[in-house]
Amino acid sequence: QKEVEQDPGPLSVPEGAIVSLNCTYSNSAFQYFMWYRQYSRKGPELLMYTYSSGNKEDGRFTAQVDKSSKYISLFIRDSQPSDSATYLCAMSSNRDDKIIFGKGTRLHILP
Amino acid sequence: GAGVSQSPSNKVTEKGKDVELRCDPISGHTALYWYRQSLGQGLEFLIYFQGNSAPDKSGLPSDRFSAERTGGSVSTLTIQRTQQEDSAVYLCASSLSAPGQANPYEQYFGPGTRLTVT
Repeated sequence: QKEVEQDPGPLSVPEGAIVSLNCTYSNSAFQYFMWYRQYSRKGPELLMYTYSSGNKEDGRFTAQVDKSSKYISLFIRDSQPSDSATYLCAMSSNRDDKIIFGKGTRLHILP
Repeated sequence: GAGVSQSPSNKVTEKGKDVELRCDPISGHTALYWYRQSLGQGLEFLIYFQGNSAPDKSGLPSDRFSAERTGGSVSTLTIQRTQQEDSAVYLCASSLSAPGQANPYEQYFGPGTRLTVT
C-alpha cells in the first residue's frame, strides 16, 4: 500500500460547482497536511496547510483532515475556470522533514 | 524576493550522455529537495538536503543519479549515462524547515527542468 493515495482523475465539473478532492494515507505519524496546486508547465505552489485534524478555510477553499480515518479533503466553492489545474496533496510527520506527495488530481472547470 | 530558480529550463540529450541540472534555492532556506515528475505522474522524491546533515538519498532510482549541495546553497543533480526513461521534468524545492515557523514544511518550487533523452 502506498503511503499516500490520490485519484488522478481527470475530474471535470461545470463552473460554479463545488469541487471535492481527496487523499487517503497509511502513516499515522503524519501531522502536517498540505494541498498544492500545479498549473501546466509550472512548479507546484502551496494552496492550503493544516496541522493535525480539523478544518481550515481560506476564501473559496476549505481543507479538512480526519486523522481517525486517515483521510484529507480539499473543497473548492464557486469553482472557476482558473481553478483548472492539478491538485496534489502532501503530508509529513515530525520525525523527519521529508514530505510525501500524492500523484495529483487533474481538475477541469468547464465554462 | 527571488524564488527558486532552475537551469536549464529545457535539456535535450542523447542516450548515454551525462547531464547536470542546477537549482538555486531561496536565500536562507536550509532544506532543498529534488523531485522527478513524469507525464501524468505525481512527484517522485529523489533526494533531500537539510543543513549540514547527511542527505536523504532514499529516492534516487539508480547509482547513475547523484546530487550535491555546495555551501548549503546551490545544488546540482547529475544523471550519468542517461536513458530514455530518465525523460521527465526535474523539480527542485526549498523550505525553511525550521522549528517555530508557521509552516516549517512549506516548500517553494522552481519551474523545473524538462529533460528529454533521445
